[in-house]
Amino acid sequence: DTGVSQDPRHKITKRGQNVTFRCDPISEHNRLYWYRQTLGQGPEFLTYFQNEAQLEKSRLLSDRFSAERPKGSFSTLEIQRTEQGDSAMYLCASSFGLSGTDTQYFGPGTRLTVL
Amino acid sequence: AQTVTQSQPEMSVQEAETVTLSCTYDTSESDYYLFWYKQPPSRQMILVIRQEAYKQQNATENRFSVNFQKAAKSFSLKISDSQLGDAAMYFCAYRSAMRGGADGLTFGKGTHLIIQP
Repeated sequence: DTGVSQDPRHKITKRGQNVTFRCDPISEHNRLYWYRQTLGQGPEFLTYFQNEAQLEKSRLLSDRFSAERPKGSFSTLEIQRTEQGDSAMYLCASSFGLSGTDTQYFGPGTRLTVL
Repeated sequence: AQTVTQSQPEMSVQEAETVTLSCTYDTSESDYYLFWYKQPPSRQMILVIRQEAYKQQNATENRFSVNFQKAAKSFSLKISDSQLGDAAMYFCAYRSAMRGGADGLTFGKGTHLIIQP
């Protein structure tokens, strides 16, 4: 078990550019979550996948954000036309379960800086 | 919508002493889960302890224990025999049991715990 991994760990981009982050969950975990954490705040939920299906999206996930989880394995989070307000740590978490009792395991995050 | 409040932005404790971190939450639901997560500097968030709302007994994990007061909607974390490795941001989190796990965690703003050697 290598844990949840995220790539890249850091990304600096200019406003208006598109960026894509990748998350590799723990093998066999059927659930995958994306969160955003800004400085001095706790993580905020963005979206949830059960296997390959995106079942929940937060109102925080504007039209510029899109997430995928093809084949129910790794996931990608893309931000189009980045804005300075998108600067944050993007966290991925995975879990295994069929109810609400499962424990989420977090990755190290991708820190995005938009100049 | 549920909210989680951590009223202590920062706490400091002497090594080997005991410290309690506070957390309150607001919900209209009766079935839910509560968590404490630890986020060390530049490292990933890890689960410290969790509590199911239907359980009256307070959860314990080695030096970590909680005081869960459902009526008061309070969920504090006690760390006994504090160690230097306990220094981190601690986040209290809530999760509804109503939607089979589709909801993400709702986090508080965190408490920065400093351990004085």
